[in-house]
Amino acid sequence: TQLLEQSPQFLSIQEGENLTVYCNSSSVFSSLQWYRQEPGEGPVLLVTVVTGGEVKKLKRLTFQFGDARKDSSLHITAAQPGDTGLYLCAGRGGDDKIIFGKGTRLHILP
Amino acid sequence: DAGVIQSPRHEVTEMGQEVTLRCKPISGHNSLFWYRQTMMRGLELLIYFNNNVPIDDSGMPEDRFSAKMPNASFSTLKIQPSEPRDSAVYFCASTLLGYGYTFGSGTRLTVV
Repeated sequence: TQLLEQSPQFLSIQEGENLTVYCNSSSVFSSLQWYRQEPGEGPVLLVTVVTGGEVKKLKRLTFQFGDARKDSSLHITAAQPGDTGLYLCAGRGGDDKIIFGKGTRLHILP
Repeated sequence: DAGVIQSPRHEVTEMGQEVTLRCKPISGHNSLFWYRQTMMRGLELLIYFNNNVPIDDSGMPEDRFSAKMPNASFSTLKIQPSEPRDSAVYFCASTLLGYGYTFGSGTRLTVV
């Protein structure tokens, strides 16, 4: 069974600080996605990474896919209150099913 | 584009009653997924359809759960009879190429 472990589970930091959250697995994924979910809503896709070592940037968010395609990280520069939410990583396995990690709940204090 | 539409947004029902959740995927998407989200277990895949055909229902908890997709624009998830442990937020998602899902806003189900 493929599992995705996300760390930390909870993170509360001050506005303006930098942070990194992690998504790790012992399995190889053909692609990996990051989503952000706000209370009362469904997850919203932020980015998909496909190639080992790939780095994608979305404004102040930087996503990296591990060389072996087993792990990923999300780095946020100069966090803002609007970044608050649940960040989910999701990996696509060989059977084309996408499994989700349990998420990192991020709270940015103004 | 109205996105993935789920109904109802909230459902409160008594144990033993039948519950039906509905989903309208994005037009043109050929795969549809039902997920359940709880604090303890996170997002769990229940079942998914490709071109209206159920492909994998191994995540469906037990026989009380059933899902149908009679056409490309509609799917239902039914729980009969419902139990308190079924309380969760149920999401429907659709995709075309499988590299990213579009989720609905979910149905918050409470079984008392």
